[in-house]
Amino acid sequence: EPEVTQTPSHQVTQMGQEVILRCVPISNHLYFYWYRQILGQKVEFLVSFYNNEISEKSEIFDDQFSVERPDGSNFTLKIRSTKLEDSAMYFCASQGGEKLFFGSGTQLSVL
Amino acid sequence: DQQVKQNSPSLSVQEGRISILNCDYTNSMFDYFLWYKKYPAEGPTFLISISSIKDKNEDGRFTVFLNKSAKHLSLHIVPSQPGDSAVYFCAAKGNFGNEKLTFGTGTRLTIIP
Repeated sequence: EPEVTQTPSHQVTQMGQEVILRCVPISNHLYFYWYRQILGQKVEFLVSFYNNEISEKSEIFDDQFSVERPDGSNFTLKIRSTKLEDSAMYFCASQGGEKLFFGSGTQLSVL
Repeated sequence: DQQVKQNSPSLSVQEGRISILNCDYTNSMFDYFLWYKKYPAEGPTFLISISSIKDKNEDGRFTVFLNKSAKHLSLHIVPSQPGDSAVYFCAAKGNFGNEKLTFGTGTRLTIIP
C-alpha cells in the first residue's frame, strides 16, 4: 500500500539553526500538507500546497517557514532560524479523495 | 479557537465492550468528518469518515454517527480489542476539495484486557 514517507525521524538542532524536513507524498496525490503536534497538544495545521504554490497557511507559518517541491517527488518544510517553541512532531500529509494520509512524522527538538 | 472539541481526554473500556468516543464542533461550514487513530511516535492513521449528508457510516467494528443539528459526532467501536488502545482524533473539513482538516485534541482510549 502506498504511503507517505518522512525523513529524518528525529532531528536535534540548536536554536537559530536552519532545518529542513523532508517528505515523499503518495505519488498520484496533488494536495500536500504540513501539520505539527506539540507534546500533549492537538495536531495543528501549518500549510497546504497545490500546483507548486501555497494554498493556505496558518498563523504559525510565519516568515521563518517555507515549503518547496523541488523535484516533483519530494516536499520539504524549511525552518530558517529555529526557536525553542518549534520543538514538536511534524507530520507531512497528502490527500487522496477526501482523506489525508499522514507520514510517521519527524520529531524536531530545538535546544 | 477550538472549532473541534473532544471533551474526554481519556477513556478506559473493558475488552469486548463498546467504546464510544465523542466529538463536538462549532463551525457549521464543516461538511466532512473523519476519525484518525494515532499510536505513539507514528502519524495519524485514517479510520473512518462521514459526509454531512449521512447520519451513520459503518465499517466493520467501527461506526460513526453524525448529529448535524447538535453538531456532534461519535465513534463506536464494538467489540473493543486491546489493539484499539491509541489516541483517537476527530477531524473536520469544509466542502472545498483541498480544505485543511481541523483536529480535535484527541481522546486516549485504553482497552483493559
